[in-house]
Amino acid sequence: GENVEQHPSTLSVQEGDSAVIKCTYSDSASNYFPWYKQELGKRPQLIIDIRSNVGEKKDQRIAVTLNKTAKHFSLHITETQPEDSAVYFCAASINNAGNMLTFGGGTRLMVKP
Amino acid sequence: GAGVSQSPSNKVTEKGKDVELRCDPISGHTALYWYRQRLGQGLEFLIYFQGNSAPDKSGLPSDRFSAERTGESVSTLTIQRTQQEDSAVYLCASSFSGFMDTQYFGPGTRLTVL
Repeated sequence: GENVEQHPSTLSVQEGDSAVIKCTYSDSASNYFPWYKQELGKRPQLIIDIRSNVGEKKDQRIAVTLNKTAKHFSLHITETQPEDSAVYFCAASINNAGNMLTFGGGTRLMVKP
Repeated sequence: GAGVSQSPSNKVTEKGKDVELRCDPISGHTALYWYRQRLGQGLEFLIYFQGNSAPDKSGLPSDRFSAERTGESVSTLTIQRTQQEDSAVYLCASSFSGFMDTQYFGPGTRLTVL
C-alpha cells in the first residue's frame, strides 16, 4: 500500500521568511496530492492540491511542486505570517479516482512575529 | 451553507462498551469518508462511501469497527467493545463527486476510552 513520509515534523521560522515542507510517497500510481492545514482545535482544510500531470501549482503565497520520478512533492509558503502557524498535512491518493488518501504525519509550523 | 457536522463532539466511554458516532455531510455530496486521528499524528483512512455503491472498508482496523450510510445522507460509525487504543478524534469528510475533489471535514468526535 501507499506510504507517505513528511518532513520536518516541526518547523519554526521568522515572520516574512519562507517555509518548505517535503513529502515522499511510495506508490508510483498515486495521481493526486492535496495539502491540508489544521489550526489548533479546528478541522483540516484544503489549501492547495496538485495532480500528477502537473509539475507545479501556485496560489498567492503558497506553491506546491511535484517530482513524479523521485516520488516527492513539496509545499512552499513565502512571506510567512503568524496566521500561517498550524499543522500541515500532505496526502497522496491510493486509487485512480484520487479520493482515497494516505496522509503524512504532519508538520507543525510556527511563525514567530 | 452548512458544513459537515458530527455528533457528539466528545464521548467518554468505558472499555468494552459500544459507541456510535454520527456524521451529517454537506447536502448534495455523494462521497463520505471516515478518518481516525490519534494525538499528534496524521489522519488514518477508515472507510469510504460513494453514492449507492458498496463502501470501501479497506481501512477499518478490526471487525469491531463498522459504518453505515443511508443513501447520500447521514453516516454512523460504530465501534463495538471499545479498547483504550480506540481513543482518538474521529473525523468525517464529504466531497461533491469523489473524483480528486476537495474533502470538507467535520469538527470531529473526540473519543476517550477509559
